[in-house]
Amino acid sequence: AQSVTQLGSHVSVSEGALVLLRCNYSSSVPPYLFWYVQYPNQGLQLLLKYTSAATLVKGINGFEAEFKKSETSFHLTKPSAHMSDAAEYFCAVSLTGANNLFFGTGTRLTVIP
Amino acid sequence: GAGVSQSPSNKVTEKGKDVELRCDPISGHTALYWYRQRLGQGLEFLIYFQGNSAPDKSGLPSDRFSAERTGESVSTLTIQRTQQEDSAVYLCASSLPRGRNIQYFGAGTRLSVL
Repeated sequence: AQSVTQLGSHVSVSEGALVLLRCNYSSSVPPYLFWYVQYPNQGLQLLLKYTSAATLVKGINGFEAEFKKSETSFHLTKPSAHMSDAAEYFCAVSLTGANNLFFGTGTRLTVIP
Repeated sequence: GAGVSQSPSNKVTEKGKDVELRCDPISGHTALYWYRQRLGQGLEFLIYFQGNSAPDKSGLPSDRFSAERTGESVSTLTIQRTQQEDSAVYLCASSLPRGRNIQYFGAGTRLSVL
């Protein structure tokens, strides 16, 4: 069963435009949710995480994500894209009783000058 | 150390050969994970170690894959009789004891099987 779905394998935005990367999860119990970023030839770096506290989570580099239980979504946004935001972004969930994270297939963000 | 360290960063091998990948976790992190990332895909869980407990091997794709960890330190992932479909980036992560803690990732080992 797919635990997390990222819509759009590639997203292109102009520099200064809004960034919206979509993530939906499937779990009967609200999981912990994470967004990671991967720059070329590097490991994954945590952007932010949701752990059942505030539904709007602020992360590093100006990114934030909102947990919406009714929509089972955890979309990642940034008001104004920078060239340095170009990378691959992964949504992940931590499910009760599971040791590992379940990752989406990733979204590659391109920022156009 | 400052972060999770993996070696080698790149490994090219011939089909049928055995390979060994190494992961050195962050000091004090008792949990260690191995993931596989195939080109254009998300991360697939392989194996999880937590302290001296029996590892969770539920993600290992075949008996050609095995991993060891000595205490709470270095881990090695071994792939025997490599196949071309084993070509991928192998990522290691470590975290504090609880499974839902933040996982910190190494830069990975890019394995190419010719």
